[in-house]
Amino acid sequence: SQKIEQNSEALNIQEGKTATLTCNYTNYSPAYLQWYRQDPGRGPVFLLLIRENEKEKRKERLKVTFDTTLKQSLFHITASQPADSATYLCALDRGGGSQGNLIFGKGTKLSVKP
Amino acid sequence: DAGVIQSPRHEVTEMGQEVTLRCKPISGHDYLFWYRQTMMRGLELLIYFNNNVPIDDSGMPEDRFSAKMPNASFSTLKIQPSEPRDSAVYFCASRTGSSYNEQFFGPGTRLTVL
Repeated sequence: SQKIEQNSEALNIQEGKTATLTCNYTNYSPAYLQWYRQDPGRGPVFLLLIRENEKEKRKERLKVTFDTTLKQSLFHITASQPADSATYLCALDRGGGSQGNLIFGKGTKLSVKP
Repeated sequence: DAGVIQSPRHEVTEMGQEVTLRCKPISGHDYLFWYRQTMMRGLELLIYFNNNVPIDDSGMPEDRFSAKMPNASFSTLKIQPSEPRDSAVYFCASRTGSSYNEQFFGPGTRLTVL
């Protein structure tokens, strides 16, 4: 069955460092992958999308990579700030003409300490 | 735009009671998704609609769950009868036509079934 895993439930880092979050998947080939941010008590908010034919995407301090051979995406936040503390979810297209039906990982809770 | 609107924000009910959750998608969005989020299972897709028509309800856990979208600006998710294991946060999300487009989530309804 299709499976998606974010390999850390929680990640604690010091302000100014780079946070790296991992998303792995098995048993299918998504056309794209999305990353969302979720703050406590709120719905997820879209951050970035990367397509299967793209290796890397950047947006301000955020960088996402997508390795379809390893079936893995890495999400980086450079020069992290306490305001970056949140849960980050990766989501993959189910593929096969699913019309954008996404499978979400359980998320990684990032805490950035001052 | 006000974003995706959900009501109520919190619902506490007793086992066996009927629960109705409501969602107003962003105007012009033709896809609407209902999700459930728990610590154990993460964010799970229950059902989604395209142009008010249910496309995939394979995520609906049991016949106790039903969803409708009578028009482009309103959808309901009903649980009858409710059980304690239905306790979760229920999110509604919407997006425009392209499957690559981001989903916009509402603030969620926190349901507690006693």
